[in-house]
Amino acid sequence: DVKVTQSSRYLVKRTGEKVFLECVQDMDHENMFWYRQDPGLGLRLIYFSYDVKMKEKGDIPEGYSVSREKKERFSLILESASTNQTSMYLCASLQEYKLFFGSGTQLSVL
Amino acid sequence: AQSVTQPDIHITVSEGASLELRCNYSYGATPYLFWYVQSPGQGLQLLLKYFSGDTLVQGIKGFEAEFKRSQSSFNLRKPSVHWSDAAEYFCAVGGRNNNDMRFGAGTRLTVKP
Repeated sequence: DVKVTQSSRYLVKRTGEKVFLECVQDMDHENMFWYRQDPGLGLRLIYFSYDVKMKEKGDIPEGYSVSREKKERFSLILESASTNQTSMYLCASLQEYKLFFGSGTQLSVL
Repeated sequence: AQSVTQPDIHITVSEGASLELRCNYSYGATPYLFWYVQSPGQGLQLLLKYFSGDTLVQGIKGFEAEFKRSQSSFNLRKPSVHWSDAAEYFCAVGGRNNNDMRFGAGTRLTVKP
């Protein structure tokens, strides 16, 4: 089975902190994604990557950046966390048009 | 840019009744369409997908969806709902290379006994 692992299930950070969310997949997938999930808004695409060091902005990239130095790892970075970035963050990788999701990171910014 | 609209935020049906969840998409080329389900506290699971061919596609758990190009719709259906179907359902659209998958806002399904 494909495994997508997000390093933290819950995170609490303070406003202005730099936050790293890590995601690792074990199936050599080329495409990886970061979404945030908010009630009533569904999943909104933040960034995606289709190869090492390649990235594309999604619909809501402001306040975020990403890093993909190795194929298996796709990191989401909040440069200066703000309260409106409190959300559930979901990482996914893609194989044959099927997304495999991690279990999510619930981030609270105080 | 592609987008997905799920007009119904919340639907309640009785157990055993039929179900239809609506999904409309906007996409400049041939869309690849998907339905995912998220049960409470669980991750997202793929129910079914449409790429081409027969416009009626069958998925897991007894679900089916029909692609209607003229209406830009991909509605999800189930003839008889079970209590375990209570969950949130997301419609998604992607392109041929699937570098960018967009999701709708979701429809929360409640099943009455």
